[in-house]
Amino acid sequence: GDSVTQMEGPVTLSEEAFLTINCTYTATGYPSLFWYVQYPGEGLQLLLKATKADDKGSNKGFEATYRKETTSFHLEKGSVQVSDSAVYFCALQRYSGYSTLTFGKGTMLLVSP
Amino acid sequence: GAGVSQSPSNKVTEKGKDVELRCDPISGHTALYWYRQSLGQGLEFLIYFQGNSAPDKSGLPSDRFSAERTGGSVSTLTIQRTQQEDSAVYLCASSLTTGGAIDEQFFGPGTRLTVL
Repeated sequence: GDSVTQMEGPVTLSEEAFLTINCTYTATGYPSLFWYVQYPGEGLQLLLKATKADDKGSNKGFEATYRKETTSFHLEKGSVQVSDSAVYFCALQRYSGYSTLTFGKGTMLLVSP
Repeated sequence: GAGVSQSPSNKVTEKGKDVELRCDPISGHTALYWYRQSLGQGLEFLIYFQGNSAPDKSGLPSDRFSAERTGGSVSTLTIQRTQQEDSAVYLCASSLTTGGAIDEQFFGPGTRLTVL
């Protein structure tokens, strides 16, 4: 079945540091890939997405590139802020009659001033 | 417009009691999903509704869990004879259509269930 694996956290960084959160997936066909973010006390929000190989999703300074050859969708940001502290979920969505999401277990990011 | 809403936001119950969790999807969204977020388990799919079609219940963990969707809109997730392992955040999401693999799902804030 489909699965998503992302690096375990927490990831602890100082403000303005470079961020990478690794995500790899297993799925048949050509899934769409997503990063969701969950800020403390809030619901899941879509951060960015990519729907085909070599697509780059970007939003709020975050980027991720759909790499089919390595089945990866790593999340990056050049300079993190304290306000980026949250839990980040990598997910895939594969149409198979319907489009349920398969999530990774989440990576907590803690950014200190 | 309004997003997905869920109620209650928090629910504390005693082991063995039944609970009902409610989800109001975004108006016009035909697809509705329930997920469970457990500590250490991440996010798990529970059940899916598309319009008035029979739901896909393949993710429900046991027959104590059931869900219905009335009039193709509001959904209720019911957990009977709750157990401590049911403690989790229950998330509802809706999307406009299931016409393809890029239908964005919009999530509600969740209901945090604690079973004592």
